[in-house]
Amino acid sequence: QKEVEQNSGPLSVPEGAIASLNCTYSDRVSQSFFWYRQYSGKSPELIMSIYSNGDKEDGRFTAQLNKASQYVSLLIRDSQPSDSATYLCAVNEVWTDKLIFGTGTRLQVFP
Amino acid sequence: DGGITQSPKYLFRKEGQNVTLSCEQNLNHDAMYWYRQDPGQGLRLIYYSQIVNDFQKGDIAEGYSVSREKKESFPLTVTSAQKNPTAFYLCASNRGRGLENEQFFGPGTRLTVL
Repeated sequence: QKEVEQNSGPLSVPEGAIASLNCTYSDRVSQSFFWYRQYSGKSPELIMSIYSNGDKEDGRFTAQLNKASQYVSLLIRDSQPSDSATYLCAVNEVWTDKLIFGTGTRLQVFP
Repeated sequence: DGGITQSPKYLFRKEGQNVTLSCEQNLNHDAMYWYRQDPGQGLRLIYYSQIVNDFQKGDIAEGYSVSREKKESFPLTVTSAQKNPTAFYLCASNRGRGLENEQFFGPGTRLTVL
């Protein structure tokens, strides 16, 4: 069974700080990696996708991928209270194209 | 507006009843998915379909059924055989196979068994 692991948190950071969310995955051949944000009671919203090693930046968000270490992370710069949510890491299963989700990390940004 | 719609938003069911959850997309996506989310838990795949008139069981298909007669629609039936159906149900879609294949979610249906 392919696995995606995340620390459940909560991760608490002050407003304006950098929040660092981490994810490891078990399937060495995975090629596509996604970060979703889920507010309480709402559905997941895709915020970042990354397909090659290195960093990918989009506004305050940076996704980092290291396939050799089977590790993907999400950095949120200048964290805001509105960033408080659960962040889900998802990895594409190559042979089926299904997404395997982690259980999520709850982020709390306090003023 | 392109997107995924799910209805109803809230659904209450008596024990022993079958209920059907609707999922429609106008994104021209080939693949559609149903997930279940329990409080404080991750997403678990129920069924998925990568092409019309074909679908596959996910990790927790027992007690559920689906159909895919149209590209735009992928309804989920929660049958009386599903022992603990109270959960948040999420429908998603994407283009199908390929590297840059982002999956998008509908707003969800919250099912409660009375």
